Amino acid sequence: DQQVKQNSPSLSVQEGRISILNCDYTNSMFDYFLWYKKYPAEGPTFLISISSIKDKNEDGRFTVFLNKSAKHLSLHIVPSQPGDSAVYFCAASRNSNSGYALNFGKGTSLLVTP
Amino acid sequence: EADIYQTPRYLVIGTGKKITLECSQTMGHDKMYWYQQDPGMELHLIHYSYGVNSTEKGDLSSESTVSRIRTEHFPLTLESARPSHTSQYLCASSEYGGKNSPLHFGNGTRLTVT
Repeated sequence: DQQVKQNSPSLSVQEGRISILNCDYTNSMFDYFLWYKKYPAEGPTFLISISSIKDKNEDGRFTVFLNKSAKHLSLHIVPSQPGDSAVYFCAASRNSNSGYALNFGKGTSLLVTP
Repeated sequence: EADIYQTPRYLVIGTGKKITLECSQTMGHDKMYWYQQDPGMELHLIHYSYGVNSTEKGDLSSESTVSRIRTEHFPLTLESARPSHTSQYLCASSEYGGKNSPLHFGNGTRLTVT
Protein backbone atom coordinates (compact mmCIF):
# COMPACT_ATOMS: atom_id res chain seq x y z
CA ASP A 1 0.00 0.00 0.00
CA GLN A 2 1.22 3.43 -0.87
CA GLN A 3 2.08 5.47 2.20
CA VAL A 4 3.10 8.64 0.40
CA LYS A 5 0.71 9.99 -2.20
CA GLN A 6 1.11 12.69 -4.78
CA ASN A 7 -2.30 12.87 -6.35
CA SER A 8 -1.45 15.31 -9.11
CA PRO A 9 0.64 13.62 -11.79
CA SER A 10 1.29 16.93 -13.53
CA LEU A 11 1.10 20.67 -13.03
CA SER A 12 1.56 23.56 -15.44
CA VAL A 13 2.40 27.05 -14.18
CA GLN A 14 3.34 30.29 -15.86
CA GLU A 15 6.79 31.71 -15.28
CA GLY A 16 6.85 34.11 -12.34
CA ARG A 17 3.78 32.60 -10.67
CA ILE A 18 3.68 30.30 -7.67
CA SER A 19 3.90 26.54 -8.04
CA ILE A 20 2.30 24.48 -5.30
CA LEU A 21 2.99 20.76 -5.21
CA ASN A 22 1.06 18.65 -2.74
CA CYS A 23 1.80 15.45 -0.88
CA ASP A 24 -0.23 13.35 1.56
CA TYR A 25 0.96 10.54 3.80
CA THR A 26 -0.75 7.87 5.81
CA ASN A 27 1.85 6.63 8.28
CA SER A 28 1.90 8.68 11.48
CA MET A 29 5.35 7.27 12.29
CA PHE A 30 6.97 9.38 9.57
CA ASP A 31 9.04 12.07 11.21
CA TYR A 32 11.04 13.61 8.41
CA PHE A 33 9.96 14.73 4.97
CA LEU A 34 11.98 15.55 1.87
CA TRP A 35 11.46 16.80 -1.64
CA TYR A 36 13.59 15.60 -4.52
CA LYS A 37 13.75 17.05 -8.01
CA LYS A 38 14.43 14.91 -11.08
CA TYR A 39 15.31 15.99 -14.59
CA PRO A 40 14.90 13.50 -17.46
CA ALA A 41 17.74 10.96 -17.74
CA GLU A 42 19.18 12.06 -14.39
CA GLY A 43 18.86 10.79 -10.86
CA PRO A 44 16.80 12.64 -8.24
CA THR A 45 18.55 15.47 -6.41
CA PHE A 46 17.73 16.59 -2.90
CA LEU A 47 15.85 19.89 -2.78
CA ILE A 48 14.54 20.66 0.70
CA SER A 49 13.44 18.86 3.85
CA ILE A 50 11.44 19.41 7.01
CA SER A 51 11.34 17.73 10.38
CA SER A 52 8.02 16.81 11.92
CA ILE A 53 8.69 19.21 14.79
CA LYS A 54 8.43 22.14 12.39
CA ASP A 55 5.62 23.39 10.19
CA LYS A 56 7.67 25.40 7.71
CA ASN A 57 11.11 25.39 6.18
CA GLU A 58 12.33 27.91 3.65
CA ASP A 59 15.31 27.88 1.29
CA GLY A 60 15.41 30.67 -1.25
CA ARG A 61 12.51 30.30 -3.66
CA PHE A 62 11.47 26.98 -2.11
CA THR A 63 9.29 26.60 0.98
CA VAL A 64 7.90 23.40 2.41
CA PHE A 65 4.87 23.47 4.68
CA LEU A 66 3.88 20.59 6.94
CA ASN A 67 0.42 20.04 8.44
CA LYS A 68 0.81 17.04 10.74
CA SER A 69 -2.82 16.87 11.78
CA ALA A 70 -3.85 16.59 8.14
CA LYS A 71 -0.84 14.42 7.22
CA HIS A 72 -0.17 16.81 4.39
CA LEU A 73 2.80 18.71 3.11
CA SER A 74 3.30 21.07 0.22
CA LEU A 75 6.17 22.56 -1.69
CA HIS A 76 5.87 26.17 -2.82
CA ILE A 77 8.13 27.58 -5.51
CA VAL A 78 8.03 31.36 -5.84
CA PRO A 79 8.64 32.71 -8.39
CA SER A 80 8.58 29.72 -10.73
CA GLN A 81 11.21 29.61 -13.46
CA PRO A 82 11.40 27.49 -16.64
CA GLY A 83 14.42 25.68 -15.16
CA ASP A 84 12.16 24.41 -12.41
CA SER A 85 10.42 22.16 -14.95
CA ALA A 86 11.09 18.66 -13.62
CA VAL A 87 9.49 15.81 -11.75
CA TYR A 88 9.20 16.45 -8.01
CA PHE A 89 9.13 13.53 -5.60
CA CYS A 90 7.87 13.78 -2.08
CA ALA A 91 9.51 11.37 0.38
CA ALA A 92 8.93 10.54 4.02
CA SER A 93 11.18 8.73 6.42
CA ARG A 94 10.93 6.85 9.68
CA ASN A 95 13.38 4.86 11.71
CA SER A 96 13.28 1.24 10.62
CA ASN A 97 15.53 -1.77 10.16
CA SER A 98 17.00 -0.06 7.10
CA GLY A 99 17.82 3.06 9.06
CA TYR A 100 15.85 6.06 7.97
CA ALA A 101 14.19 4.35 5.03
CA LEU A 102 12.60 6.66 2.51
CA ASN A 103 9.08 6.12 1.17
CA PHE A 104 8.57 7.99 -2.08
CA GLY A 105 5.47 9.26 -3.82
CA LYS A 106 4.94 8.74 -7.55
CA GLY A 107 6.03 12.25 -8.40
CA THR A 108 4.45 15.36 -9.90
CA SER A 109 5.69 16.60 -13.25
CA LEU A 110 5.95 20.40 -13.15
CA LEU A 111 6.04 22.42 -16.36
CA VAL A 112 6.83 26.12 -16.07
CA THR A 113 5.94 27.94 -19.26
CA PRO A 114 7.53 31.23 -20.34
CA GLU B 1 28.83 17.09 -11.45
CA ALA B 2 28.01 13.55 -10.31
CA ASP B 3 29.89 12.03 -7.39
CA ILE B 4 28.04 8.77 -7.79
CA TYR B 5 28.36 6.90 -11.06
CA GLN B 6 26.24 4.20 -12.60
CA THR B 7 27.05 2.14 -15.66
CA PRO B 8 25.66 1.33 -18.08
CA ARG B 9 23.10 4.11 -18.52
CA TYR B 10 20.98 1.94 -20.80
CA LEU B 11 21.00 -1.83 -21.24
CA VAL B 12 18.88 -4.02 -23.51
CA ILE B 13 19.44 -7.70 -22.94
CA GLY B 14 17.78 -11.01 -23.70
CA THR B 15 15.99 -13.25 -21.23
CA GLY B 16 18.21 -15.57 -19.22
CA LYS B 17 21.37 -13.46 -19.39
CA LYS B 18 23.37 -12.58 -16.30
CA ILE B 19 23.88 -8.87 -15.79
CA THR B 20 25.70 -6.65 -13.34
CA LEU B 21 24.80 -3.00 -12.84
CA GLU B 22 27.73 -0.98 -11.58
CA CYS B 23 27.61 1.78 -8.97
CA SER B 24 30.55 3.71 -7.58
CA GLN B 25 30.79 6.78 -5.39
CA THR B 26 33.75 9.00 -4.61
CA MET B 27 32.39 10.67 -1.49
CA GLY B 28 33.53 8.03 0.98
CA HIS B 29 29.96 7.40 2.11
CA ASP B 30 29.39 4.29 4.18
CA LYS B 31 25.69 4.00 3.35
CA MET B 32 24.63 2.89 -0.12
CA TYR B 33 21.26 1.95 -1.55
CA TRP B 34 19.60 0.51 -4.66
CA TYR B 35 16.15 1.74 -5.66
CA GLN B 36 13.92 0.45 -8.44
CA GLN B 37 11.50 2.71 -10.27
CA ASP B 38 8.95 1.86 -12.95
CA PRO B 39 7.71 4.75 -15.14
CA GLY B 40 5.27 7.00 -13.33
CA MET B 41 5.68 5.07 -10.13
CA GLU B 42 7.39 5.63 -6.82
CA LEU B 43 10.95 4.58 -6.03
CA HIS B 44 11.20 1.35 -4.06
CA LEU B 45 14.19 0.36 -1.92
CA ILE B 46 15.46 -3.09 -2.96
CA HIS B 47 18.89 -3.28 -1.26
CA TYR B 48 20.99 -1.27 1.14
CA SER B 49 24.39 -1.45 2.77
CA TYR B 50 25.76 0.25 5.84
CA GLY B 51 29.37 -0.56 5.09
CA VAL B 52 31.81 -3.09 3.71
CA ASN B 53 30.54 -6.67 3.90
CA SER B 54 27.12 -5.43 5.05
CA THR B 55 24.11 -5.89 2.76
CA GLU B 56 20.40 -6.09 3.49
CA LYS B 57 17.24 -6.47 1.48
CA GLY B 58 14.94 -3.49 1.22
CA ASP B 59 11.19 -3.11 1.42
CA LEU B 60 10.54 -4.39 -2.11
CA SER B 61 11.37 -8.01 -2.79
CA SER B 62 13.88 -8.38 -5.60
CA GLU B 63 15.55 -11.34 -7.28
CA SER B 64 18.73 -9.32 -7.61
CA THR B 65 21.73 -9.60 -5.31
CA VAL B 66 24.32 -7.07 -4.22
CA SER B 67 27.81 -7.07 -2.79
CA ARG B 68 29.91 -4.52 -0.90
CA ILE B 69 33.55 -5.50 -0.95
CA ARG B 70 34.83 -1.94 -1.15
CA THR B 71 33.34 1.21 0.36
CA GLU B 72 33.05 2.96 -2.98
CA HIS B 73 31.56 0.09 -4.99
CA PHE B 74 28.05 -1.42 -4.72
CA PRO B 75 27.20 -3.57 -7.76
CA LEU B 76 23.82 -5.20 -8.35
CA THR B 77 23.58 -8.56 -10.13
CA LEU B 78 20.73 -10.41 -11.80
CA GLU B 79 21.70 -14.04 -12.39
CA SER B 80 19.02 -14.65 -15.00
CA ALA B 81 17.26 -11.61 -16.41
CA ARG B 82 13.53 -11.76 -17.16
CA PRO B 83 11.16 -9.26 -18.81
CA SER B 84 9.68 -8.55 -15.37
CA HIS B 85 13.06 -7.06 -14.41
CA THR B 86 12.60 -4.28 -16.96
CA SER B 87 12.81 -1.09 -14.93
CA GLN B 88 15.04 1.80 -13.93
CA TYR B 89 17.59 1.06 -11.23
CA LEU B 90 18.89 3.96 -9.16
CA CYS B 91 21.90 3.76 -6.87
CA ALA B 92 22.29 6.20 -3.99
CA SER B 93 24.58 6.93 -1.09
CA SER B 94 24.43 8.96 2.09
CA GLU B 95 26.98 10.17 4.57
CA TYR B 96 25.02 8.94 7.53
CA GLY B 97 22.06 6.64 7.90
CA GLY B 98 20.11 9.21 9.84
CA LYS B 99 17.25 11.37 8.73
CA ASN B 100 19.39 14.46 8.32
CA SER B 101 21.54 12.82 5.67
CA PRO B 102 19.89 13.17 2.25
CA LEU B 103 20.50 10.60 -0.42
CA HIS B 104 22.76 11.36 -3.37
CA PHE B 105 21.54 9.52 -6.44
CA GLY B 106 23.32 8.36 -9.56
CA ASN B 107 21.78 8.91 -12.98
CA GLY B 108 20.34 5.41 -13.05
CA THR B 109 20.46 2.40 -15.35
CA ARG B 110 17.45 1.81 -17.54
CA LEU B 111 17.21 -1.94 -18.07
CA THR B 112 15.10 -3.58 -20.75
CA VAL B 113 14.88 -7.36 -20.87
CA THR B 114 13.48 -8.75 -24.11
